[in-house]
Amino acid sequence: GQQVMQIPQYQHVQEGEDFTTYCNSSTTLSNIQWYKQRPGGHPVFLIQLVKSGEVKKQKRLTFQFGEAKKNSSLHITATQTTDVGTYFCAGPDNYGQNFVFGPGTRLSVLP
Amino acid sequence: SQTIHQWPATLVQPVGSPLSLECTVEGTSNPNLYWYRQAAGRGLQLLFYSVGIGQISSEVPQNLSASRPQDRQFILSSKKLLLSDSGFYLCACQGLATAGEQYFGPGTRLTVT
Repeated sequence: GQQVMQIPQYQHVQEGEDFTTYCNSSTTLSNIQWYKQRPGGHPVFLIQLVKSGEVKKQKRLTFQFGEAKKNSSLHITATQTTDVGTYFCAGPDNYGQNFVFGPGTRLSVLP
Repeated sequence: SQTIHQWPATLVQPVGSPLSLECTVEGTSNPNLYWYRQAAGRGLQLLFYSVGIGQISSEVPQNLSASRPQDRQFILSSKKLLLSDSGFYLCACQGLATAGEQYFGPGTRLTVT
């Protein structure tokens, strides 16, 4: 079946350092979504990418969708303690009915 | 925008006891609804989804069941809980926008002892 993988599983950074998480799908995706889950909280939708090679920015966050539409990345510039949490990517399943979530990347930011 | 309510927030239940978790949605009609389970420090596992009243699809065989008695009500149940049922249960609603993003409720933390 369809698989969505993310690396790294964990990332510890010093405040002010950059951070990147990568998402890879076993199949071509029509779109990809990114979510953030704060410790103890629930996932919150961040963004959706649809076009091949698309790049979107939200303040210090930069999201990219690969040319082949099988991979994506989230880059955070100059991390802050408020960036702590787990970042999930999600892509539609083969039937387009549901979304398959990656296992997430847990980010820790040391002040 | 949609608001998703879940209760209870936390629950401790003994093995073999029944379970009923409720999710209600405001601000939308005829939404697609989802139940996910998240083990500690892990990703999201889709358990059930529903595209309408009485329509339930199961993604993973298990001792859990779901029902949708009303358009904006989604219930997760079990007749006899197992230790492995412990986890963080999240209800989600698919957004009104064509993007299809999912909005999650606050979740229920279930500990089976």
